[in-house]
Amino acid sequence: DIVMTQSPESLAVSLGERATINCQSSQSILYSSSNKNNLGWYQQKPGQPPKLLIYWASTRESGVPDRFSGSGSGTDFTLTISSLQAEDVAVYYCQQYHSTPPTFGGGTKVEIK
Amino acid sequence: QVQLVQSGSELKKPGASVKVSCKASGYTFTNYAMNWVRQAPGQGLEWMGWINTNTGNPTSAQGFTGRFVFSLDTSVSTAYLRISSLKADDTAVYYCARGRRPTLTGTYYFDYWGQGTLVTVSS
Repeated sequence: DIVMTQSPESLAVSLGERATINCQSSQSILYSSSNKNNLGWYQQKPGQPPKLLIYWASTRESGVPDRFSGSGSGTDFTLTISSLQAEDVAVYYCQQYHSTPPTFGGGTKVEIK
Repeated sequence: QVQLVQSGSELKKPGASVKVSCKASGYTFTNYAMNWVRQAPGQGLEWMGWINTNTGNPTSAQGFTGRFVFSLDTSVSTAYLRISSLKADDTAVYYCARGRRPTLTGTYYFDYWGQGTLVTVSS
């Protein structure tokens, strides 16, 4: 199975500041035929199900604010929230869909400083 | 709009069984696989498996075979998860999630999720 490792486990960021979350896969999740990475990011607010934010490592799902962006390739990926808003307080998960079973990172909790 | 609506919370005794339902609307049910994901209290997300909504063929992840059964009723666009011989460590929120599989060689990511069903196993 591909192991997904997120860092940090938690971070506190001031409103309007940048938040950066890292995700590393235990092997490359680059789909060579399209040169795209099989990686998604989700946001989970307390008491709610996860919500898909990004797929293909950098493609925003419809309706997701453009302050959320994804980057990276191969084994190292980043989710950036460019200007943290109060409604962004949540746990964020990365997930690979390169091979079965799909696996998630352990999550990063984002709070307001 | 796409919606996945799950059945309500359950409190069960060890050894009992539970059946969780997930009713889909707003899209053609048989066009997308249905996946199941578990989240233990205060923990992360764990993929349990999926069911092919065209054929009814289920696939379970390691650790979710035997006691965990996925099924369908396509006439009412509903997927089911049945867990038998419940144990205390089955206590979790169970989510259904619609799967997108963008490559032939890869697996699913999840674009719509049910609201979750809390199953509590306690004597």
